[in-house]
Amino acid sequence: EAGVAQSPRYKIIEKRQSVAFWCNPISGHATLYWYQQILGQGPKLLIQFQNNGVVDDSQLPKDRFSAERLKGVDSTLKIQPAKLEDSAVYLCASSYRAGYTFGSGTRLTVV
Amino acid sequence: KQEVTQIPAALSVPEGENLVLNCSFTDSAIYNLQWFRQDPGKGLTSLLLIQSSQREQTSGRLNASLDKSSGRSTLYIAASQPGDSATYLCAVTDTNFNKFYFGSGTKLNVKP
Repeated sequence: EAGVAQSPRYKIIEKRQSVAFWCNPISGHATLYWYQQILGQGPKLLIQFQNNGVVDDSQLPKDRFSAERLKGVDSTLKIQPAKLEDSAVYLCASSYRAGYTFGSGTRLTVV
Repeated sequence: KQEVTQIPAALSVPEGENLVLNCSFTDSAIYNLQWFRQDPGKGLTSLLLIQSSQREQTSGRLNASLDKSSGRSTLYIAASQPGDSATYLCAVTDTNFNKFYFGSGTKLNVKP
């Protein structure tokens, strides 16, 4: 089965610019997650979707981050405006029951 | 709130050594615990999954144990190889919505 697809792989932007990441989960996986992994730290959950509804977005900085999952399949995560501290790897994951798969991530550098 | 801690943060060993990575968590009400491997610039690869009712899991040279009551897990790597060099992450999932709480990882370097 195909894995979790993410794009782009890398992105460099200037602070105050906007950026968007895309994730295509494994077919049939109802649950989708976005994690932020800052260098030297473990991933931190930003938002969790069940189908196209938000289950948990308690750690999402809502003043600058937004995410959507239209039709319960693909998802986009947007940052606007970006700050230097947003430099990190953004990982998407999807799950169905006990099966959990991570994508390769998007590495964002804000300069 | 669940807190996951991994010790040590970094470890360097000569090839062939057996080694133990440690993970502790503060809330024992977990659904399962998982060990991941992360290579530089890559995503996460699942190594071992231990359900909350289990005590250990084994895969090849890897053995993971779980003591839920004390909030501890260990990952044992036998006969380490340079290809084992990576960051190892421990994560627990809660009993509600299956989200992960990650530790900060142990960066392992196995010297030839």
